[in-house]
Amino acid sequence: LAKTTQPISMDSYEGQEVNITCSHNNIATNDYITWYQQFPSQGPRFIIQGYKTKVTNEVASLFIPADRKSSTLSLPRVSLSDTAVYYCLVGSRNTGGFKTIFGAGTRLFVKA
Amino acid sequence: GAVVSQHPSWVICKSGTSVKIECRSLDFQATTMFWYRQFPKQSLMLMATSNEGSKATYEQGVEKDKFLINHASLTLSTLTVTSAHPEDSSFYICSAGDFPSTDTQYFGPGTRLTVL
Repeated sequence: LAKTTQPISMDSYEGQEVNITCSHNNIATNDYITWYQQFPSQGPRFIIQGYKTKVTNEVASLFIPADRKSSTLSLPRVSLSDTAVYYCLVGSRNTGGFKTIFGAGTRLFVKA
Repeated sequence: GAVVSQHPSWVICKSGTSVKIECRSLDFQATTMFWYRQFPKQSLMLMATSNEGSKATYEQGVEKDKFLINHASLTLSTLTVTSAHPEDSSFYICSAGDFPSTDTQYFGPGTRLTVL
């Protein structure tokens, strides 16, 4: 099961682009990388998922290098409401099914 | 799409009583559901994984007789905290996914349990 490592916290200002990098050195061939956002007292919310190269949706982009040992979540033009904890998860398939383990996450604080 | 609900959203109970939390996938079939616990300012800790129609697989250190999990259908899983004690007070979150069709799990809004 791949362990993930992220910066504990990051600060940004409104309107800036924020990049959060996650390392997952032991990622397996079939594993996908998924990012979630969590606000206090709420369940995590799906942001984006990818396997390799670049994935973009309406809220974020995900960059994954060829060796897949890391990934970077890019949030364009953040606002105050993007202040939250962001988790990078690597999904692991095994004989028992699908499993993921949460790392510590990155606390993003967006300032005016 | 991919909506997961939990009920209740919060519950307060007396020490020694049992509490049941429901997790439902509203618009998809969940072959696998996960139960997590989260303490303040901490990350989510996986408690158990349940596959529809099978016994749950518990993580190391999680008492299966205390945290009873039932996944009787493709849209419903329940977590029962038996003989709850104040140290069981926490935020319980479920997630669901239709594996292996997808590698994505979708989370419920969480249930705040307070044991007095």
